[in-house]
Amino acid sequence: RKEVEQDPGPFNVPEGATVAFNCTYSNSASQSFFWYRQDCRKEPKLLMSVYSSGNEDGRFTAQLNRASQYISLLIRDSKLSDSATYLCVVSRGGYQKVTFGTGTKLQVIP
Amino acid sequence: GAVVSQHPSRVICKSGTSVKIECRSLDFQATTMFWYRQFPKQSLMLMATSNEGSKATYEQGVEKDKFLINHASLTLSTLTVTSAHPEDSSFYICSAAGGIPVEKLFFGSGTQLSVL
Repeated sequence: RKEVEQDPGPFNVPEGATVAFNCTYSNSASQSFFWYRQDCRKEPKLLMSVYSSGNEDGRFTAQLNRASQYISLLIRDSKLSDSATYLCVVSRGGYQKVTFGTGTKLQVIP
Repeated sequence: GAVVSQHPSRVICKSGTSVKIECRSLDFQATTMFWYRQFPKQSLMLMATSNEGSKATYEQGVEKDKFLINHASLTLSTLTVTSAHPEDSSFYICSAAGGIPVEKLFFGSGTQLSVL
């Protein structure tokens, strides 16, 4: 079983739609969780950290469920510019123990 | 602006040649930098951890004699792919941890290596 698993997609959604991604992790000792965005052949960019209490940044909401070992990302009112691959990132402590998921591809359609 | 600069962005080379990729942290000192490789439609895979002034720590399955890492200063780490072969063709990305007040992981813009 992979340490971090994501549905690769692609998720094709119309503009304005709400879309949600899930990511599961296998190591219960995982401490920190992040969502990164990666455009084709570009470097990943931090979208948001994920906290147990849940956190929101504009149209983006992230949740962490430690009991079930998954994190989620919700995007409301999708924009064309949201089209990218979203990477789930899990850390077991420090940046040397970071594992990236394979990413979920989102395509927002006009 | 970018806080980690990576060059070159794209390299095309013949099989058997060596390729050097540079990663620089701008405006901050990075005692530790990380090198990743990403094949098409796959996740980022950590290759090695580069420590300033000491030997790099390689992940299992990564040949240290093939992927030479030098971290001679607090702002520069280099990855040299020696005797490159077509199977080494990939997207290589470096990253460095830094930032105040919250430490974050900053990525370079990546290097697309194509070995003919």
